[in-house]
Amino acid sequence: AQSVAQPEDQVNVAEGNPLTVKCTYSVSGNPYLFWYVQYPNRGLQFLLKYITGDNLVKGSYGFEAEFNKSQTSFHLKKPSALVSDSALYFCAVRDPNDYKLSFGAGTTVTVRA
Amino acid sequence: EAGVTQFPSHSVIEKGQTVTLRCDPISGHDNLYWYRRVMGKEIKFLLHFVKESKQDESGMPNNRFLAERTGGTYSTLKVQPAELEDSGVYFCASKRQDRYEQYFGPGTRLTVT
Repeated sequence: AQSVAQPEDQVNVAEGNPLTVKCTYSVSGNPYLFWYVQYPNRGLQFLLKYITGDNLVKGSYGFEAEFNKSQTSFHLKKPSALVSDSALYFCAVRDPNDYKLSFGAGTTVTVRA
Repeated sequence: EAGVTQFPSHSVIEKGQTVTLRCDPISGHDNLYWYRRVMGKEIKFLLHFVKESKQDESGMPNNRFLAERTGGTYSTLKVQPAELEDSGVYFCASKRQDRYEQYFGPGTRLTVT
């Protein structure tokens, strides 16, 4: 069985400061990992993915994530947060032998001006 | 390219009534998924279509839920009869066969009273 944990319900940062949203996963094989963002009254938007290769992946809007196999983590990062980054962030994992995504509970990010 | 669309955006029905949700995937995406988020919890997988065929419906809660994808284009998800615990946000997603990322619609918020 595959699962995802997002240990923080909320993350609050000041604009211009680094932003980190944590994610750990559990899957039987090598994981496919994804980050999605949901803005108010919008659907989930794909941010980035890790499939294979370089552990540091870059995505939309200046976000990046680092795959750490030994710690089974895939934390989302942004060097300098913007107020417009305030949203709900979901981490998801997929077993390569399956097609469905398993999501974490989500982390609400608030960036204050 | 148009995104995934879902209709209606909101639905409020009474317990025992029937509701049908519709999803139009991105053109050319053979894979279509339904997910549900209940009361701020994790987003849970419901089922997966490849073209018109159901590949995996292991996440369907019970036989009150019926999904179809006529002609391999749009999909409907019918709940009959609706129960209070069916309330939540129902997301549809689609994916190209040769890609990893799923693209999500805005969701349908279903409230059963």
